[in-house]
Amino acid sequence: SQQGEEDPQALSIQEGENATMNCSYKTSINNLQWYRQNSGRGLVHLILIRSNEREKHSGRLRVTLDTSKKSSSLLITASRAADTASYFCATEAAGNNRKLIWGLGTSLAVNP
Amino acid sequence: DAGVIQSPRHEVTEMGQEVTLRCKPISGHDYLFWYRQTMMRGLELLIYFNNNVPIDDSGMPEDRFSAKMPNASFSTLKIQPSEPRDSAVYFCASGYGTAYGYTFGSGTRLTVV
Repeated sequence: SQQGEEDPQALSIQEGENATMNCSYKTSINNLQWYRQNSGRGLVHLILIRSNEREKHSGRLRVTLDTSKKSSSLLITASRAADTASYFCATEAAGNNRKLIWGLGTSLAVNP
Repeated sequence: DAGVIQSPRHEVTEMGQEVTLRCKPISGHDYLFWYRQTMMRGLELLIYFNNNVPIDDSGMPEDRFSAKMPNASFSTLKIQPSEPRDSAVYFCASGYGTAYGYTFGSGTRLTVV
């Protein structure tokens, strides 16, 4: 079952612009994770934010988490053509189960 | 570290045949996950192991699917008999605890004709 829902489903921007993707979920969580998938490849872990954290940075990536709204956003600043990929959020539900529930992803195209 | 290694990369088989997918997790990782990805259903968790023990297999679609982890460095996902609707990309992922996210293999693209 899909808990996370990414928004938008697809995004097309010019190189150098910022890209913002959103994720909503339904249940209480331990953490929320963002992954990138290039076409035909495996998923690559980008960043993990715990339920008691509100914001996290990693290079050009900024992730926010609002547990009251059950939502998260991923901001990629100064985008590059190499950022073209699908981006997925995944939530680990509260408790001891390590199962991740995945959204269907946002397809990002960065045009040179 | 070579990362999570999956084999084969591609598999084409006829309906009714047995298919075995293999995974070597990253050394030291104590969690191993098997996922299936299709355009229609996205990423689905099939089963995961902790310290070689199956913890949650509620995502295994039916009795035709089975998974084993005989030791910390090897896991298999078997489909017997295979059906065309099993066609998908199957990913293995491993991780340590819950703080760092998971590392995915490159996947096995399975086509059942």
